[in-house]
Amino acid sequence: AQKVTQAQTEISVVEKEDVTLDCVYETRDTTYYLFWYKQPPSGELVFLIRRNSFDEQNEISGRYSWNFQKSTSSFNFTITASQVVDSAVYFCAPRSGFGNEKLTFGTGTRLTIIP
Amino acid sequence: NAGVTQTPKFRVLKTGQSMTLLCAQDMNHEYMYWYRQDPGMGLRLIHYSVGEGTTAKGEVPDGYNVSRLKKQNFLLGLESAAPSQTSVYFCASSRHNGGNQPQHFGDGTRLSIL
Repeated sequence: AQKVTQAQTEISVVEKEDVTLDCVYETRDTTYYLFWYKQPPSGELVFLIRRNSFDEQNEISGRYSWNFQKSTSSFNFTITASQVVDSAVYFCAPRSGFGNEKLTFGTGTRLTIIP
Repeated sequence: NAGVTQTPKFRVLKTGQSMTLLCAQDMNHEYMYWYRQDPGMGLRLIHYSVGEGTTAKGEVPDGYNVSRLKKQNFLLGLESAAPSQTSVYFCASSRHNGGNQPQHFGDGTRLSIL
């Protein structure tokens, strides 16, 4: 069975601090994809990044960076120098690579940036 | 830059009433999905479609029906609304069902059943 866990329900940090959001995906699949979505207070879902299970190279995009470790099934997302606009709920959503149409959403982490 | 458009954005129904939520995408995507989001939970898949004229059940299909008569539109119907269907509904689309294809979401429809 596949299981995605976002253990952090809510996180609050002061503006300009760095913050890391955790996601653990337990699966027996050898090929899978991991997506992160952001849901700001306005409610829409915004696609942030996709990573492949066979690519463990970390990625940095501006203030965002992603750290994927297949050995521990963890796919963590770090925001450096956080800003108030980063306040949102962040969802980790893994997907099997074998034509499984279903995205399995985690329960989300609510991030609040305190000005 | 419309992307995925959902109508209406808000709706209040009485128990037993029926209604249809409309999702339209202008990206020529093959796959379309309907999800519901409840407080404290991630999104759960209701129904999906792999192409025009096709539909399939997702994780929580009971009480809902869907139709995909045109490639760009995916309709979600509630035949007899129940309070348990109070939720935020999201439509999404993707190019195809390759595992690496991201789904692009609409802004959601907030539905309340009294």
